[in-house]
Amino acid sequence: GNSVTQMEGPVTLSEEAFLTINCTYTATGYPSLFWYVQYPGEGLQLLLKATKADDKGSNKGFEATYRKETTSFHLEKGSVQVSDSAVYFCALSSNSGNTPLVFGKGTRLSVIA
Amino acid sequence: GAVVSQHPSRVICKSGTSVKIECRSLDFQATTMFWYRQFPKQSLMLMATSNEGSKATYEQGVEKDKFLINHASLTLSTLTVTSAHPEDSSFYICSATGTGSFDYGYTFGSGTRLTVV
Repeated sequence: GNSVTQMEGPVTLSEEAFLTINCTYTATGYPSLFWYVQYPGEGLQLLLKATKADDKGSNKGFEATYRKETTSFHLEKGSVQVSDSAVYFCALSSNSGNTPLVFGKGTRLSVIA
Repeated sequence: GAVVSQHPSRVICKSGTSVKIECRSLDFQATTMFWYRQFPKQSLMLMATSNEGSKATYEQGVEKDKFLINHASLTLSTLTVTSAHPEDSSFYICSATGTGSFDYGYTFGSGTRLTVV
């Protein structure tokens, strides 16, 4: 079945540091890939997505590229801020009808000033 | 963009009582609703999938008689936790997809923190 494996945290960075959170997937066919962010006590917000190979999703300085050859969708940001502290979830959708997202376990990021 | 309103955001109830959580799609028709449960510092665990007008499909290990899901309209789905017990305390999140939402998009509610005392 489909699955998502992401780097387990917690990850602690200083402000303005470079961020990478690794995400790899296993899926049949051609899934869509997502990164969601969850701030404390809140639901999930879509951060970015990519629907086909070599697509790059980007938002708020975050980027991730859909790499089919390595089955990866790593999240990157060049310079993190304290406000980026949250839990980040990588997820995939099989695109076959209304099927639920498959989530990774989440990576907690703490950015310190 | 697509918005799902989830209420209440927090609820405290006594053991043995029932609690209803609502999720409403505000600007699209939610043909499918997913209900998740999240334990502290863990990922989301899918509880059930409901399609408008049909019975919900529950994941293995989820008691359908305890977690009642209703999806009678294209804009409203409810999860009722019946005869709640302290072990039901958790963060519950809904997610909707359907007509009018962006392609391959899943819109999440803001979550409900349930505490059973």
